Amino acid sequence: ILNVEQSPQSLHVQEGDSTNFTCSFPSSNFYALHWYRWETAKSPEALFVMTLNGDEKKKGRISATLNTKEGYSYLYIKGSQPEDSATYLCAFTGSSNTGKLIFGQGTTLQVKP
Amino acid sequence: EPEVTQTPSHQVTQMGQEVILRCVPISNHLYFYWYRQILGQKVEFLVSFYNNEISEKSEIFDDQFSVERPDGSNFTLKIRSTKLEDSAMYFCASRPGLASGEQFFGPGTRLTVL
Repeated sequence: ILNVEQSPQSLHVQEGDSTNFTCSFPSSNFYALHWYRWETAKSPEALFVMTLNGDEKKKGRISATLNTKEGYSYLYIKGSQPEDSATYLCAFTGSSNTGKLIFGQGTTLQVKP
Repeated sequence: EPEVTQTPSHQVTQMGQEVILRCVPISNHLYFYWYRQILGQKVEFLVSFYNNEISEKSEIFDDQFSVERPDGSNFTLKIRSTKLEDSAMYFCASRPGLASGEQFFGPGTRLTVL
């Protein structure tokens, strides 16, 4: 059974703090690792799709790294803002060519002004 | 910007009733998915659909579930006889091509079975 785990489950930080979350996934049959940002009552929004070991991607204050050999990815948020408050989901795509996503349980971030 | 839409946003039904959840994927996308999230649990894969047929389905997707793309734009999920444990948020997603590509999600339909 393919299992994706995220930690921590929730995080409360002050505005301006930098923070990071972890996603661990199976290191065998790896195809891609996805990060999504999900606000309540909205569609999950894709942040990154990462495929190569050692990949680093950045979008504004948010960045992610990928280690496919040991099966983990980190998501970093620099200088958190209240609008960063959301649930951050990672999802693994294995070698199945259907592209199905296997999700972690998410990390819920709350940024206090 | 194109987006995936889903209707209704919330559906309440009695146990044993049939429900149809509707999705309009992004128009040039080729691959379509349904996922669901039971409250407090992980988002879980139900089914993938490509070239007018199911390409993969999970153990959850039993004979009570079916999917259809009846007219080239809508993508529906039907639950024939709902159970209490079908209560969940159901998400539709679509993607244009490669398996590694981004999947675009709709806002979800919250299904409540009483």
